[in-house]
Amino acid sequence: AQRVTQPEKLLSVFKGAPVELKCNYSYSGSPELFWYVQYSRQRLQLLLRHISRESIKGFTADLNKGETSFHLKKPFAQEEDSAMYYCALMRNSSASKIIFGSGTRLSIRP
Amino acid sequence: DAGVIQSPRHEVTEMGQEVTLRCKPISGHDYLFWYRQTMMRGLELLIYFNNNVPIDDSGMPEDRFSAKMPNASFSTLKIQPSEPRDSAVYFCASSLGTQGTLYEQYFGPGTRLTVT
Repeated sequence: AQRVTQPEKLLSVFKGAPVELKCNYSYSGSPELFWYVQYSRQRLQLLLRHISRESIKGFTADLNKGETSFHLKKPFAQEEDSAMYYCALMRNSSASKIIFGSGTRLSIRP
Repeated sequence: DAGVIQSPRHEVTEMGQEVTLRCKPISGHDYLFWYRQTMMRGLELLIYFNNNVPIDDSGMPEDRFSAKMPNASFSTLKIQPSEPRDSAVYFCASSLGTQGTLYEQYFGPGTRLTVT
């Protein structure tokens, strides 16, 4: 069965410090992976997807198939990064069904 | 486009009452998803539809929950009878059934349900 694990419910770092939100998945095939973000009083929205190999708002995430991980990283945290982050997996052949992790709340201290 | 629309935004009800949550997906999207968000379990997929047909309802907690999609622009999630443990934020999302670089789910603002 597919599963997405985010081991940290809460991550608190100082402004300017590096950030890494951990995500591990279990899936035997080739998944598509995403990070979604929910800022305070805003809708849950797509942050980035591994297939695009993009950097959004300074965040990057690399798919490591050997470690089955898709950690989200940013070298210098900003206060506006405080939000709830969800890692998500879609099977390569799925009909659009996404499995979400339990989420990590990122808090940036000034 | 106003995006995915959900109503009501907040619902407070007493245990045993029927609750109906409503969702209007983005026009043209052929997939619709219902999720439940709680502190303990995060974001859980309850059920999803493709072209108004339920595809996977394995996440629906029990028979007290039911969902319908009578047409492409409207869906309901009903809880009857409601229980305090149903208290959560319920999200509706929609998407186009494409994969790869174009794939994205668009979420509504959610309905915060409190069952007392």
